[in-house]
Amino acid sequence: DTEVTQTPKHLVMGMTNKKSLKCEQHMGHRAMYWYKQKAKKPPELMFVYSYEKLSINESVPSRFSPECPNSSLLNLHLHALQPEDSALYLCASSLVGAEAFFGQGTRLTVV
Amino acid sequence: AQSVTQPDIHITVSEGASLELRCNYSYGATPYLFWYVQSPGQGLQLLLKYFSGDTLVQGIKGFEAEFKRSQSSFNLRKPSVHWSDAAEYFCAKIQGAQKLVFGQGTRLTINP
Repeated sequence: DTEVTQTPKHLVMGMTNKKSLKCEQHMGHRAMYWYKQKAKKPPELMFVYSYEKLSINESVPSRFSPECPNSSLLNLHLHALQPEDSALYLCASSLVGAEAFFGQGTRLTVV
Repeated sequence: AQSVTQPDIHITVSEGASLELRCNYSYGATPYLFWYVQSPGQGLQLLLKYFSGDTLVQGIKGFEAEFKRSQSSFNLRKPSVHWSDAAEYFCAKIQGAQKLVFGQGTRLTINP
């Protein structure tokens, strides 16, 4: 099983809403990542969890709050987002220091 | 500083023609390099990787890449492209053990 599963696939939310993106993998990977991708741009790293601990935060605004409840799950909690936060949000996982496997992404639209 | 550079933003080739996508990386003692492919609105799929050893690496879907340390390059090749190869291609490098850094991407269009 080399699959990273992200839910939901699409999400539309208002600027005052609170929502969460979910990511799950069962490959035994101990590193998990959130990336943000705008149209026609490469993915940009947001957060890295290593062994369920936050190891990298790329100066992401606090309206994005990551959570790693266990080694298989990664969440991204969203609150008070802005329209410019609309993007494709990608989750990935890997063995530490190895190639990353990506999910299909959540297409987020903030209205 | 840009860690990975893909000089070509957009490439068009005819179906059945050969393909080479360019990638240059900034110097690293032991570069871990990757090529990913992304179809519109989809996630990224790993095509191949280079960690060490043989400098010519084979990947999925008939792709290969050659690591050339002297040129700081890791170009992706395919002898004969198919219409289904039309997509965005990203070269990437691991930076600092945990951070995957991407080039700007090359959009591949296939002419019938």
